[in-house]
Amino acid sequence: DAGVTQSPTHLIKTRGQQVTLRCSPKSGHDTVSWYQQALGQGPQFIFQYYEEEERQRGNFPDRFSGHQFPNYSSELNVNALLLGDSALYLCASSTRIYGYTFGSGTRLTVV
Amino acid sequence: SQQGEEDPQALSIQEGENATMNCSYKTSINNLQWYRQNSGRGLVHLILIRSNEREKHSGRLRVTLDTSKKSSSLLITASRAADTASYFCAANQGAQKLVFGQGTRLTINP
Repeated sequence: DAGVTQSPTHLIKTRGQQVTLRCSPKSGHDTVSWYQQALGQGPQFIFQYYEEEERQRGNFPDRFSGHQFPNYSSELNVNALLLGDSALYLCASSTRIYGYTFGSGTRLTVV
Repeated sequence: SQQGEEDPQALSIQEGENATMNCSYKTSINNLQWYRQNSGRGLVHLILIRSNEREKHSGRLRVTLDTSKKSSSLLITASRAADTASYFCAANQGAQKLVFGQGTRLTINP
């Protein structure tokens, strides 16, 4: 039973560039959430997608955008990268309120 | 911003001892969840306690919840080297998001 799959696992980008991270949810899950985890900190909620729409958004600028596809997979896009965007980006899939399953994350380094 | 605060930030104990971590949160919750993270990788769900529950057990894990004090604790009994990790509490306020604390770094010494 495949869990949550994230790609790529590591990524190095230059300031000002754009990046797309991908997430395939656990089988049977229809909701995808994205979190940013800076080094030494707890994860912070970016946004959540359900039925291909953004259902809730955390305190992140518009440079962060996302998409959910009909097969429930999701993408996180970050434009105009800043050094401060360097972090581990975690995707979590779920159904209703409970049952969060996290992927292993994408480590983004902005230089 | 982080809603939860965890205490202690770091904990180092001998193998076989018990480890206790505490978590506080700020708003009302539907449930509170605990996660483990090894070496900055993905989060592994450990246990969920609902707002109407006071204590829950799962194997060597015991979680308590005090909604009047907006606090929770995670007890790991008979610790093992493999328990070395960061532990996070996450408050679930509803259907949408989890609000995490900053975590406790637990080190189990052989």
